[in-house]
Amino acid sequence: DVKVTQSSRYLVKRTGEKVFLECVQDMDHENMFWYRQDPGLGLRLIYFSYDVKMKEKGDIPEGYSVSREKKERFSLILESASTNQTSMYLCASSGRRAHEQYFGPGTRLTVT
Amino acid sequence: KQEVTQIPAALSVPEGENLVLNCSFTDSAIYNLQWFRQDPGKGLTSLLLIQSSQREQTSGRLNASLDKSSGRSTLYIAASQPGDSATYLCAAEETSGSRLTFGEGTQLTVNP
Repeated sequence: DVKVTQSSRYLVKRTGEKVFLECVQDMDHENMFWYRQDPGLGLRLIYFSYDVKMKEKGDIPEGYSVSREKKERFSLILESASTNQTSMYLCASSGRRAHEQYFGPGTRLTVT
Repeated sequence: KQEVTQIPAALSVPEGENLVLNCSFTDSAIYNLQWFRQDPGKGLTSLLLIQSSQREQTSGRLNASLDKSSGRSTLYIAASQPGDSATYLCAAEETSGSRLTFGEGTQLTVNP
């Protein structure tokens, strides 16, 4: 059974804190993705990675960075959290084609 | 840049009704069109994938159609059930296969 796991389901952080969201997949997938989901806006791509140590900006990379040191793990970093980064964050992984994406359960982040 | 729009944003129907969810996209040069389901607080699950050379795909009570020339896709749900209540998202896959662009989603409620 394929699995994408995210380190936390719920997270509350203070403004200015450095926040790490971790995602792990067990399918040996090349591609991994980070999205944020907000009411009325759907899923918006923050960053994606097609190989270890490789990354590409998505549509809304500002305020975020990523790290992929191992194939199975993709981390999203909020260098200095702000209240407008309060959102649901979804991680996904896929084989060579994006439509083969499998999603994690999401992390609901609240920045106060 | 691809933009994907879904109408309506929310829909409430009585059990047993047939219904149609709409998805439109601005760039017809897509590789695939995909429909997902998302239950509250959960990740996404793929329902149907329509390749660009296809016109429709069916799975049980679900039927999805694709008209690339007009930039439209529809998801038809027959004989709706309360268990169909969820958010439905469509996503267009770029021809490079590197990413999906999602619509805002339609929140469906089927009342017993």
